[in-house]
Amino acid sequence: KQEVTQIPAALSVPEGENLVLNCSFTDSAIYNLQWFRQDPGKGLTSLLLIQSSQREQTSGRLNASLDKSSGRSTLYIAASQPGDSATYLCAVRGTGGFKTIFGAGTRLFVKA
Amino acid sequence: GAVVSQHPSWVICKSGTSVKIECRSLDFQATTMFWYRQFPKQSLMLMATSNEGSKATYEQGVEKDKFLINHASLTLSTLTVTSAHPEDSSFYICSAPVTGADQPQHFGDGTRLSIL
Repeated sequence: KQEVTQIPAALSVPEGENLVLNCSFTDSAIYNLQWFRQDPGKGLTSLLLIQSSQREQTSGRLNASLDKSSGRSTLYIAASQPGDSATYLCAVRGTGGFKTIFGAGTRLFVKA
Repeated sequence: GAVVSQHPSWVICKSGTSVKIECRSLDFQATTMFWYRQFPKQSLMLMATSNEGSKATYEQGVEKDKFLINHASLTLSTLTVTSAHPEDSSFYICSAPVTGADQPQHFGDGTRLSIL
């Protein structure tokens, strides 16, 4: 059974800092890995998707990496801004049945 | 791009009421949809897999008779919370996978259910 863990659970940083969010998963038989952002009381916003054959994806100030063999992914946020404050969720889509399993998330607070 | 529509976005009702939540794929066909539940400050927990034309597959610990799922067409899945109680209050969100490893999974905007 796939298990997804995110570290840290919460993070508070001053504006402008670069930061790394970590995600680990137990079963390397994945279809893809997706990072989402969720604002309080809202749905999910897809940030980046990395296919199982890829090593990284970039979008603006965001960079996500994937090391499937070690079961790890990181989300790098450059030059953080107060508007980046949200919960970031890592989601792993398995190869059997296409179920997507979520980590518990990292709650990020960027101080102005 | 593919879009998943979920309705209603917010429901407040009395204990004992049954509540139906709809999830529609707007521009693609979805033979499978997933239903998740999220308690405050917790992550999304997969409740069940909805399969078009057949019975839903429920995750361990999810009451089948409490959470009725119907996937009657290739674009619509419904989740009915039967005889809802305050402990059923939660954020429910559906998703539909799109074939292709390069395709992101699409999620509805969620339904916030509050049982008084």
